[in-house]
Amino acid sequence: GENVEQHPSTLSVQEGDSAVIKCTYSDSASNYFPWYKQELGKRPQLIIDIRSNVGEKKDQRIAVTLNKTAKHFSLHITETQPEDSAVYFCAGYRGSTLGRLYFGRGTQLTVWP
Amino acid sequence: DTEVTQTPKHLVMGMTNKKSLKCEQHMGHRAMYWYKQKAKKPPELMFVYSYEKLSINESVPSRFSPECPNSSLLNLHLHALQPEDSALYLCASSQTDRGDYEQYFGPGTRLTVT
Repeated sequence: GENVEQHPSTLSVQEGDSAVIKCTYSDSASNYFPWYKQELGKRPQLIIDIRSNVGEKKDQRIAVTLNKTAKHFSLHITETQPEDSAVYFCAGYRGSTLGRLYFGRGTQLTVWP
Repeated sequence: DTEVTQTPKHLVMGMTNKKSLKCEQHMGHRAMYWYKQKAKKPPELMFVYSYEKLSINESVPSRFSPECPNSSLLNLHLHALQPEDSALYLCASSQTDRGDYEQYFGPGTRLTVT
C-alpha cells in the first residue's frame, strides 16, 4: 500500500514567520493529497488539498505544492499566528483504494507570540 | 448542517462491559468511517461503510462491531475491550467512499478501558 512520510515531527516558529511541512509518498498512482489540522482536543479539519493535475494551490495564508516527479508535497503557511498552533497531518489517496487515506505521522506546529 | 456529531464525549468502561458509540450526520453523505486515534498519532482507519454496506474492515478485532442502521447513523459496539483500546474514536463522513472527497470528522469519543 501507500506510505506517506512527514517531516518535521515538531516545528516551532515565531509569530509572523513562515512554516513549511513536507511529505513524501511512495505510490506514483496516488492522485489526491489533503492536509488536515487538528487543534488540541479538537477534531481533524481539512484545511487545503491538491490533486495530481495541479502543481500548486493557495488559500489566503496557506499554500500546498506538489512535485509528482519527486513524489513529494509541502504545506506552506505564511505570516503565522498563534492560532495556527496545532498538529498538521498530510495524507495521500490512490484512486483504487476505496476511502482509504494514508496519513503521515503528523507535525506539531507551535507559533510563539 | 455540515457537522458530524458523536455521543458520548467520554466513556469509561471495564473490560467486561458492553457499550456503544454513536455517530450521526445529516449532510446526505453516503460514506461513513470509524477511526481510532492515539495521542499525537494520526487517525487509524478501522471501518468504512459505503451506502450502508461495510466496504472496508482494516483487520479490526471482533471486540469492535460496527453497524450502520441507516444512511445518517453509524454505531460502534464495544465488548470485552482491552486497556490498549483506550483512545479517541473518531467518526467521519464524506460524500462518497472515494478518498478524494473531503472527510468531515466528528469531535470524537474519548474511551478509557479500565
